[in-house]
Amino acid sequence: SAVISQKPSRDICQRGTSLTIQCQVDSQVTMMFWYRQQPGQSLTLIATANQGSEATYESGFVIDKFPISRPNLTFSTLTVSNMSPEDSSIYLCSARAHEGPATEAFFGQGTRLTVV
Amino acid sequence: GENVEQHPSTLSVQEGDSAVIKCTYSDSASNYFPWYKQELGKRPQLIIDIRSNVGEKKDQRIAVTLNKTAKHFSLHITETQPEDSAVYFCAATSTGGFKTIFGAGTRLFVKA
Repeated sequence: SAVISQKPSRDICQRGTSLTIQCQVDSQVTMMFWYRQQPGQSLTLIATANQGSEATYESGFVIDKFPISRPNLTFSTLTVSNMSPEDSSIYLCSARAHEGPATEAFFGQGTRLTVV
Repeated sequence: GENVEQHPSTLSVQEGDSAVIKCTYSDSASNYFPWYKQELGKRPQLIIDIRSNVGEKKDQRIAVTLNKTAKHFSLHITETQPEDSAVYFCAATSTGGFKTIFGAGTRLFVKA
């Protein structure tokens, strides 16, 4: 199994500012992902963080708003840029430890973001 | 892309009864179907999974069935207990994208 640590665990930010969320995995992983979970809702995939190349974004999410870095196989960051109250949500990092798609994805504890 | 539909959105059962949650998926390339349990304020945790080459899998009180032809899969919890109360998410992972798409979730209440 993989242990994933995210920080910060929560933050309250002013609109118009940016927040960078860090995700650290305790072992090298093939795939890393970022999800958003609004209160009482499901997990929506934002993007796949690719090591050494640009992230792959899902429909409705763009790089200018959610820039992602993945400098190595154990670390990724998600930035929420130019925040508005609509960005208030829980952001979750996820990783898949083994090669191939048919394995469990693990989650960080989430970052609860409130934009005021 | 993949789309996963899940129902019911809310399920209330008496302790000791069974609970069934159903999902459908759209992408025939999906080959891995995990189920996650999320308690309030916690991260999602895997409770059981099934691969496309298997029709059924059981782990104590929890079982999952998969019908590839109909693109349906279901979670069955028997002898429910109050600690089973949580939100349950089904999900599908495709070979091509390696990404996991989640259903909308089912909020399960087990009444003592």
